[in-house]
Amino acid sequence: AQSVTQPDIHITVSEGASLELRCNYSYGATPYLFWYVQSPGQGLQLLLKYFSGDTLVQGIKGFEAEFKRSQSSFNLRKPSVHWSDAAEYFCAVSFISYKLSFGAGTTVTVRA
Amino acid sequence: GAVVSQHPSWVICKSGTSVKIECRSLDFQATTMFWYRQFPKQSLMLMATSNEGSKATYEQGVEKDKFLINHASLTLSTLTVTSAHPEDSSFYICSASPGTSGSVGQETQYFGPGTRLLVL
Repeated sequence: AQSVTQPDIHITVSEGASLELRCNYSYGATPYLFWYVQSPGQGLQLLLKYFSGDTLVQGIKGFEAEFKRSQSSFNLRKPSVHWSDAAEYFCAVSFISYKLSFGAGTTVTVRA
Repeated sequence: GAVVSQHPSWVICKSGTSVKIECRSLDFQATTMFWYRQFPKQSLMLMATSNEGSKATYEQGVEKDKFLINHASLTLSTLTVTSAHPEDSSFYICSASPGTSGSVGQETQYFGPGTRLLVL
């Protein structure tokens, strides 16, 4: 069955430390890949997306993600987190249609 | 650019009443709009997809008569929760796509801030 998996439910990271959020997908072919961030009580903001080409994608707010076909992964990274990065992060995929399928999300807590 | 608004941001209603939620694309025309439902600490679940001037396409398990969707213009879609009950309490989020990428799978969805519904 097609699915999007975010293995980490909750990650706590110190301010200034690096962050990596994992995302794996299970599809018959490479889907289109997205990372969204949701601040408490708010809608989702697109951080970055991958359709094709360079497998390292740069996004907003200093985030980047790397697509690895061999691992069916699209992990999100940030070299140095800020307290404002505390939020819920969702990996999402679309395939032959515009329907987005979301992972369960990863909650990021930033400690001072 | 690409701002989507929702109104109201939160609503409390009595069981049995109907509630209408508006979703507007403020600075672009949205050929397609989507409605999602999000339970606490869970991911977004797509409820339905609507195209301007057409009937909405509902996901499996979503009651069409319960959740009425109207996409009357390229900037406005509404979701009406009819005869709301406590189990309908949730966070409802809409999104909109401009339909300019040429490939539906590559369309970026721009999300509204969400509407929190509490049915007493």
